[in-house]
Amino acid sequence: AQTVTQSQPEMSVQEAETVTLSCTYDTSENNYYLFWYKQPPSRQMILVIRQEAYKQQNATENRFSVNFQKAAKSFSLKISDSQLGDTAMYFCAFSDTGTASKLTFGTGTRLQVTL
Amino acid sequence: NAGVMQNPRHLVRRRGQEARLRCSPMKGHSHVYWYRQLPEEGLKFMVYLQKENIIDESGMPKERFSAEFPKEGPSILRIQQVVRGDSAAYFCASSRNRGNQPQHFGDGTRLSIL
Repeated sequence: AQTVTQSQPEMSVQEAETVTLSCTYDTSENNYYLFWYKQPPSRQMILVIRQEAYKQQNATENRFSVNFQKAAKSFSLKISDSQLGDTAMYFCAFSDTGTASKLTFGTGTRLQVTL
Repeated sequence: NAGVMQNPRHLVRRRGQEARLRCSPMKGHSHVYWYRQLPEEGLKFMVYLQKENIIDESGMPKERFSAEFPKEGPSILRIQQVVRGDSAAYFCASSRNRGNQPQHFGDGTRLSIL
């Protein structure tokens, strides 16, 4: 079974600074997908970024980028130029390419952006 | 272009009652997933359905819980004889295909058991 670990329960960053959220996972699959979802206080689950394991290039979406290290099974999220609206819970998630393709989530990192 | 619609947003039930949670997937999406989020925890997979079929229910409790996704209408997650431990946020997600398509989430239903 796959597992996803987020070792930072809480993080804080000042506005306009850069912060990196850590995620490691465990799987025996060779091809899979990794995601970061954001959950603001409104409780919506918002897809931030997605990475396909067979692609070596790290995914980027505006201020959000990932550092995907397949051999180390590491998938960290970097938020540049942090904004107050980035304050939220961030969940790392894994999905295989099998029949179900269900998401396995980590326990989340609560990010607080301060003035 | 409506997203995933869940209703109700909040549901209050007394112990022993039934809870019905509804999910209408995004237009063009035929794959539906249900997840449960207990307070201060991440989301846990419950069940995956396609139209009229349950594909994977490995995360769903064997008793009191059931799910369906009929040919017409929304997907329904049904919890019979609710207990306090069922209090949680229940999220529905949909995707166009499985695997390489990301799942888009609804706003969730917060179930409170008195």
